[in-house]
Amino acid sequence: EAGVTQFPSHSVIEKGQTVTLRCDPISGHDNLYWYRRVMGKEIKFLLHFVKESKQDESGMPNNRFLAERTGGTYSTLKVQPAELEDSGVYFCASSQDGGIPGELFFGEGSRLTVL
Amino acid sequence: LAKTTQPISMDSYEGQEVNITCSHNNIATNDYITWYQQFPSQGPRFIIQGYKTKVTNEVASLFIPADRKSSTLSLPRVSLSDTAVYYCLVGRRLGGGATNKLIFGTGTLLAVQP
Repeated sequence: EAGVTQFPSHSVIEKGQTVTLRCDPISGHDNLYWYRRVMGKEIKFLLHFVKESKQDESGMPNNRFLAERTGGTYSTLKVQPAELEDSGVYFCASSQDGGIPGELFFGEGSRLTVL
Repeated sequence: LAKTTQPISMDSYEGQEVNITCSHNNIATNDYITWYQQFPSQGPRFIIQGYKTKVTNEVASLFIPADRKSSTLSLPRVSLSDTAVYYCLVGRRLGGGATNKLIFGTGTLLAVQP
């Protein structure tokens, strides 16, 4: 069974540009989460989808970040315009209802570097 | 969700048993305790979860005392490949099956030496 896949693995952009990160969860997982770790800091929650609906987006830093999950399958996280402080690793995770409550399956992350 | 506190780092040698303790003094009745492992350049990986007493799987054991204000992850006979960051997290199961977000702390960097 394929795990959570994220694309791209690494993106380097200039300040002010736009970047879109993609996450493909494990098939059948209704829950999809975005987290990020900026340099030297802890992994922080960004938001949680249940199917195509945003269950909790309390961690989204500001309106430059837009997450979507059309159709309840893959998700995208767009940063527009990117700022230097957005540099970090963005992790996506998925989980299924009825599974172990705290068991999230993480992807390997998308490293974003804003110059 | 309860804040967790765990040592920043630990050192061990191959073949030893490693115990990492985490405190979560404000844990609520509905909260569970989960441990994750993270290698460099990878996403966190679920290790084990428990609510009370002891849980064991093929990777680790989790000990939770009666007051649930702390928990101890036990890794038997560690090897070099167990060098990683270990996170203790407290989560809360929401109604309707939707899982709550997990709050990561600083984690414990375990360094296993030959």
